[in-house]
Amino acid sequence: DTAVSQTPKYLVTQMGNDKSIKCEQNLGHDTMYWYKQDSKKFLKIMFSYNNKELIINETVPNRFSPKSPDKAHLNLHINSLELGDSAVYFCASSQAIAGGETQYFGPGTRLLVL
Amino acid sequence: AQSVTQPDIHITVSEGASLELRCNYSYGATPYLFWYVQSPGQGLQLLLKYFSGDTLVQGIKGFEAEFKRSQSSFNLRKPSVHWSDAAEYFCAVGAPEYGNKLVFGAGTILRVKS
Repeated sequence: DTAVSQTPKYLVTQMGNDKSIKCEQNLGHDTMYWYKQDSKKFLKIMFSYNNKELIINETVPNRFSPKSPDKAHLNLHINSLELGDSAVYFCASSQAIAGGETQYFGPGTRLLVL
Repeated sequence: AQSVTQPDIHITVSEGASLELRCNYSYGATPYLFWYVQSPGQGLQLLLKYFSGDTLVQGIKGFEAEFKRSQSSFNLRKPSVHWSDAAEYFCAVGAPEYGNKLVFGAGTILRVKS
């Protein structure tokens, strides 16, 4: 009965490929996020969506395109993968976009670009 | 914009000893403050958070943290560490004008020796 789930858990691919990561939450939350954790464990927000609307869009290359088909899902599509995209990508959700809301994290997707 | 510093990259404590993990933030007003824990290969789990009221906050697993405005700090403490506490701990700061965008510190790796 996972609250925030991500697929796949591991992703190994070649440079130049296009890949997608999926996230689903069953908490009934309105807001979802994508974070990137690099090799030094530094965690940085990439995007957030509230009720399917893009709210936060950090300085992320436009090769990264999030998509929220409904409130429970937030997918991340990455075009033309580069070596530097290798990282762990975490999805998270919160009840609302208001500050102070607890964010619940998924288990992460470990992406390795060769 | 807000920022957060965790001065200690690694900390080693003996099982049963007390623990304090340091977190300093930079923000002009009272921020939202969080501590998350990440076990190897796992997502992040919220330990506790502060956004107003009592400056001493109790969390899960016997952790507590104290907000000190004068020192811009939000240190995490535990009176007696268990071997299962070995993990990486992240402090995060949010600000009301930035919605629920969190800025994370670099993390502190806790090792527990028996």
